Amino acid sequence: AQTVTQSQPEMSVQEAETVTLSCTYDTSESDYYLFWYKQPPSRQMILVIRQEAYKQQNATENRFSVNFQKAAKSFSLKISDSQLGDAAMYFCAYRSATSGSRLTFGEGTQLTVNP
Amino acid sequence: EAGVTQFPSHSVIEKGQTVTLRCDPISGHDNLYWYRRVMGKEIKFLLHFVKESKQDESGMPNNRFLAERTGGTYSTLKVQPAELEDSGVYFCASSQVGYLETQYFGPGTRLLVL
Repeated sequence: AQTVTQSQPEMSVQEAETVTLSCTYDTSESDYYLFWYKQPPSRQMILVIRQEAYKQQNATENRFSVNFQKAAKSFSLKISDSQLGDAAMYFCAYRSATSGSRLTFGEGTQLTVNP
Repeated sequence: EAGVTQFPSHSVIEKGQTVTLRCDPISGHDNLYWYRRVMGKEIKFLLHFVKESKQDESGMPNNRFLAERTGGTYSTLKVQPAELEDSGVYFCASSQVGYLETQYFGPGTRLLVL
């Protein structure tokens, strides 16, 4: 069974600075997808960024980018130029490409952005 | 386009009572998922519908939980009888069938069993 670990329950960053959230996962599969979801205090969880495991190039979405290290089974999220609106709970998630479409989540990292 | 909606947003019930949660997926999304986050832990998968059929219900904790998706549109998740350990946030998500099948989540229902 796959597992996802987020070792940082809480992180904080100063506005306009950069922060990196860690995520590691364990799987025996070679083909899968990885996601970062964000849940702001308003509770609606939204997709931040996604990565297909077969792609070597790291995904980027505006100020959000990932560092995907397949051999190390690591998938960290970097937020550049942090904004107050980035404050949220961030969840890392794994999905197999071949055996079901359920998401397996980490426990989440609560990000605080300080003005 | 309307997102995934869930009702109610909060529910407080006593142990032994019955509660029914509802999820309306994004129009046209054949995949519908239920997840649960208990006591600040990780979000865990409960089950997956494709249209009205249960594709995977391996995450359902026990037979006190019953999920339905009549007509392949909205879904309900009934807990009967509710126990204290059922407290948590229940999320619904939907996706289109196809490549990547990105799941879009609803705001969740916060259930508290006293």
